[in-house]
Amino acid sequence: GNSVTQMEGPVTLSEEAFLTINCTYTATGYPSLFWYVQYPGEGLQLLLKATKADDKGSNKGFEATYRKETTSFHLEKGSVQVSDSAVYFCALSNTRDNYGQNFVFGPGTRLSVLP
Amino acid sequence: NAGVTQTPKFRILKIGQSMTLQCAQDMNHNYMYWYRQDPGMGLKLIYYSVGAGITDKGEVPNGYNVSRSTTEDFPLRLELAAPSQTSVYFCASSTDRRNTGELFFGEGSRLTVL
Repeated sequence: GNSVTQMEGPVTLSEEAFLTINCTYTATGYPSLFWYVQYPGEGLQLLLKATKADDKGSNKGFEATYRKETTSFHLEKGSVQVSDSAVYFCALSNTRDNYGQNFVFGPGTRLSVLP
Repeated sequence: NAGVTQTPKFRILKIGQSMTLQCAQDMNHNYMYWYRQDPGMGLKLIYYSVGAGITDKGEVPNGYNVSRSTTEDFPLRLELAAPSQTSVYFCASSTDRRNTGELFFGEGSRLTVL
């Protein structure tokens, strides 16, 4: 079946530190991979995505590369800001028997960035 | 552009009561989903719909029902509320029948069953 594993949180960093949140997946076929972010009191919103092997998704200084050989999609940012404090979810999407998408989410990693 | 709108944002129910969580989207998306989010557990799919008149069970459908009479609306019904249904509920929609599209989420509905 499909599953997503991501590093346990919470993660606490100082402003301008380097961020890595690990994500690995198990899936059949050729899934798409996503990172969603959830700010306090809000719904999830797409941060970045990659739809095929070796694709790099990027947005707001965050990057993640779809590595099929290691089944990974690690999230990185070179210099975090206080405003990046949020919960980050790794997710994959497979086609659901040709009708819609089957999204599978990881448990989420809470990031706190201190000034 | 409103996107996905959920109501109510907060609700407290007593055990055995029933209620409906409303969800509407204005993006003309065919695919709609209901998830629940429990602390540290990620999101679990309750029900989904691939178009008006078509719904199907997700991973955790017990205790819930849905209907999809229009493309825009996808209400979630809780019958005989139980404490195990205390959670945050998210409605989402997508447009892609393949696997590349993103999910658009509402802001969530926090439900407490006492």
